[in-house]
Amino acid sequence: GAVVSQHPSWVICKSGTSVKIECRSLDFQATTMFWYRQFPKQSLMLMATSNEGSKATYEQGVEKDKFLINHASLTLSTLTVTSAHPEDSSFYICSAHRVGYTFGSGTRLTVV
Amino acid sequence: RKEVEQDPGPFNVPEGATVAFNCTYSNSASQSFFWYRQDCRKEPKLLMSVYSSGNEDGRFTAQLNRASQYISLLIRDSKLSDSATYLCVVNPNTGTASKLTFGTGTRLQVTL
Repeated sequence: GAVVSQHPSWVICKSGTSVKIECRSLDFQATTMFWYRQFPKQSLMLMATSNEGSKATYEQGVEKDKFLINHASLTLSTLTVTSAHPEDSSFYICSAHRVGYTFGSGTRLTVV
Repeated sequence: RKEVEQDPGPFNVPEGATVAFNCTYSNSASQSFFWYRQDCRKEPKLLMSVYSSGNEDGRFTAQLNRASQYISLLIRDSKLSDSATYLCVVNPNTGTASKLTFGTGTRLQVTL
């Protein structure tokens, strides 16, 4: 079946630093990847749609200069949280579509 | 009004019980529907798709009522391993890679 590998699983970083999260589709080509964020006891909220070879489409209220998305190949999309702050602490998950939707295992980001 | 609404629970039921979750969605043009299961601090995993005619997968039965914009999930003979959060998910399109809308989830705790 389709597998999406997401790294790192968890990361703790200092306020003001940047963190990169990678999602790779291991056995299929993903022209589109979705990036979600989930705060405790809340729903997954779509942040942006990443398209291979073009600019990402951001949802309303998501700062594109803060959450940089790069989808340079058909198997890799990255999300960089720039100048992270404690309020960015959350669970970030990517998803790719291939017949159905496959999710990465998520990245738990803690900004201290 | 939220796009997808669920009772957050928690639903605490004894092993062997039958439990039902409901979900309503606001976009009448929505095309496809799913139930996902999410364990604590993990990514969502597809439990089952929901079809207009209703569908069953072992102990799980899903139903869709388009007129009422209502989706349900019935779990029979609950197991301890069924303890998780169940997410109602709606897709405005069929087949194509498009944005999923997640409910906040209903937490189920199955006890001895």
